[in-house]
Amino acid sequence: GQNIDQPTEMTATEGAIVQINCTYQTSGFNGLFWYQQHAGEAPTFLSYNVLDGLEEKGRFSSFLSRSKGYSYLLLKELQMKDSASYLCAVRDSNYQLIWGAGTKLIIKP
Amino acid sequence: DAGITQSPRHKVTETGTPVTLRCHQTENHRYMYWYRQDPGHGLRLIHYSYGVKDTDKGEVSDGYSVSRSKTEDFLLTLESATSSQTSVYFCAISEQDSSYEQYFGPGTRLTVT
Repeated sequence: GQNIDQPTEMTATEGAIVQINCTYQTSGFNGLFWYQQHAGEAPTFLSYNVLDGLEEKGRFSSFLSRSKGYSYLLLKELQMKDSASYLCAVRDSNYQLIWGAGTKLIIKP
Repeated sequence: DAGITQSPRHKVTETGTPVTLRCHQTENHRYMYWYRQDPGHGLRLIHYSYGVKDTDKGEVSDGYSVSRSKTEDFLLTLESATSSQTSVYFCAISEQDSSYEQYFGPGTRLTVT
């Protein structure tokens, strides 16, 4: 079966750094996405990784290791508005997106 | 923001009644998707469309049907609503296949009593 694992919930402090991990077991791999979803709102695209390594975009970075079936999203200089759920999704060999259940990130002052 | 709207935004209906949700886009994107989102689960694909009158089933298609008669509209129908179909439904669009990012509509909260 196909499976994507993320921690259910994480807590971090404003101004700090947090790393949200995602491990996957899918039938094939054709890219990994990270989305942000604020409570009661739609998911919005954050990043896309298809090759191993780190992709940096402002305060957010995403890392991929295909051999380990592993990715992480790194958020720096946390702000209160970063409180949201972060969704990991993998595109499988059929080019379908398989979604993790999401990690709820709570930012404390 | 991508021009995607969903209607209705909220609906309460009774078990056994048919329900149709509408997704409308102004981006002229080829691909459209219907997902449901439930606590403890990731987004789950119900059906998707890769062109007018071209649709295919997703992971959780039982009890749902779709139609796409125009590029801009993608309809999701619950033939006979059940309580297990209480969920938040999201429509999404993408320019090409899922190699491209998907843009999501605001969602429809459906409650089946």
